Amino acid sequence: DAGVIQSPRHEVTEMGQEVTLRCKPISGHNSLFWYRQTMMRGLELLIYFNNNVPIDDSGMPEDRFSAKMPNASFSTLKIQPSEPRDSAVYFCASTPSGNRGTDTQYFGPGTRLTVL
Amino acid sequence: AQKITQTQPGMFVQEKEAVTLDCTYDTSDPSYGLFWYKQPSSGEMIFLIYQGSYDQQNATEGRYSLNFQKARKSANLVISASQLGDSAMYFCAMRERNQGGKLIFGQGTELSVKP
Repeated sequence: DAGVIQSPRHEVTEMGQEVTLRCKPISGHNSLFWYRQTMMRGLELLIYFNNNVPIDDSGMPEDRFSAKMPNASFSTLKIQPSEPRDSAVYFCASTPSGNRGTDTQYFGPGTRLTVL
Repeated sequence: AQKITQTQPGMFVQEKEAVTLDCTYDTSDPSYGLFWYKQPSSGEMIFLIYQGSYDQQNATEGRYSLNFQKARKSANLVISASQLGDSAMYFCAMRERNQGGKLIFGQGTELSVKP
């Protein structure tokens, strides 16, 4: 079975450019999460969706970040304009249901973003 | 206050020996879940083991077991018979029912297995 799919795996861009990260959750999973990992802040949740609806976006750093989930099999995280401090690994994770404590979150391979 | 604390930034263990990675947590929610993930140098996050707050027995998954001490709010990961492939970062995480689906992660412990 396919796991969580993320693209691109690596992205190098220049400051000010728009960046779009993509995620396909595991089929049948109803909840999708975007995390960011940096050396300074560790792993932190940016936003998550239940049944395509954003539930908690309190982790989104600022208005430059936006996320969408137009359908159950696709989500995007967009940064516009990008800044060097956005350089990080961005993970997408999915789980069958976001509300049950027992549900394990399965992570994608991550997108390593470098903003020059 | 830190919700998840991993006090060991780095650990060394001899191959074939057992090792314990510490994790303490802080919550007032009676319903929560505790998770351990492994992150090898390749970067992916691999789920290892889960413990629910109402589970009576400690979770086990192959060579991984979770030493759950609820009163002390600790959820230590025990890896038995360490292998060279166990060298990685290990993250403890918690999910609280009243916080929905979000996982809160500790800072991680880097484990190095020596041959």
